[in-house]
Amino acid sequence: GESVGLHLPTLSVQEGDNSIINCAYSNSASDYFIWYKQESGKGPQFIIDIRSNMDKRQGQRVTVLLNKTVKHLSLQIAATQPGDSAVYFCAENTGRRALTFGSGTRLQVQP
Amino acid sequence: GAGVSQSPRYKVAKRGQDVALRCDPISGHVSLFWYQQALGQGPEFLTYFQNEAQLDKSGLPSDRFFAERPEGSVSTLKIQRTQQEDSAVYLCASSPTGGPDEQYFGPGTRLTVT
Repeated sequence: GESVGLHLPTLSVQEGDNSIINCAYSNSASDYFIWYKQESGKGPQFIIDIRSNMDKRQGQRVTVLLNKTVKHLSLQIAATQPGDSAVYFCAENTGRRALTFGSGTRLQVQP
Repeated sequence: GAGVSQSPRYKVAKRGQDVALRCDPISGHVSLFWYQQALGQGPEFLTYFQNEAQLDKSGLPSDRFFAERPEGSVSTLKIQRTQQEDSAVYLCASSPTGGPDEQYFGPGTRLTVT
């Protein structure tokens, strides 16, 4: 399959550690944010979303934090597993329904 | 349940050929989006449909790109007179509503123009 994210920033963690992936978004008017995971040769897969009236949302093993003051979004993955290895994108909705994606971070989990 | 499907998964075209890429969204989803993803980049918006109406085509890079969704379900992205810079993965996504909402992506069609 195609390799996604050949030249992306890479975060390398040990299996079982917690991972934090950061994203700076561009539009202060954005009101909806999503984190996607993309494995090689596949389309982006939804992980978790958050609306601008919240600053934290938790899912299963994942937490998204939103800091609107500095336009920053983070994804925390607890007890990272080898299956979490992928490229992670944050995406924002700027009011036009289409999503604007960030440039992505490659997460490598070392067993 | 079935997700978003796209065909073909891979397409090789000679420069100057026309191509047609198909997207089958999740049944009943109102919104359908096309994105282009270059190698090592995030997806970039091309165009958006709400049912059969194309409400936003501001991301289409040139008039060689055309998309349609005539019956509000299946969509086709057509690229005429393909150029090398059109080589990319073309992703389709659908969403259940017309508002800001989770978008479900298909596996993409990888287009290579030689």
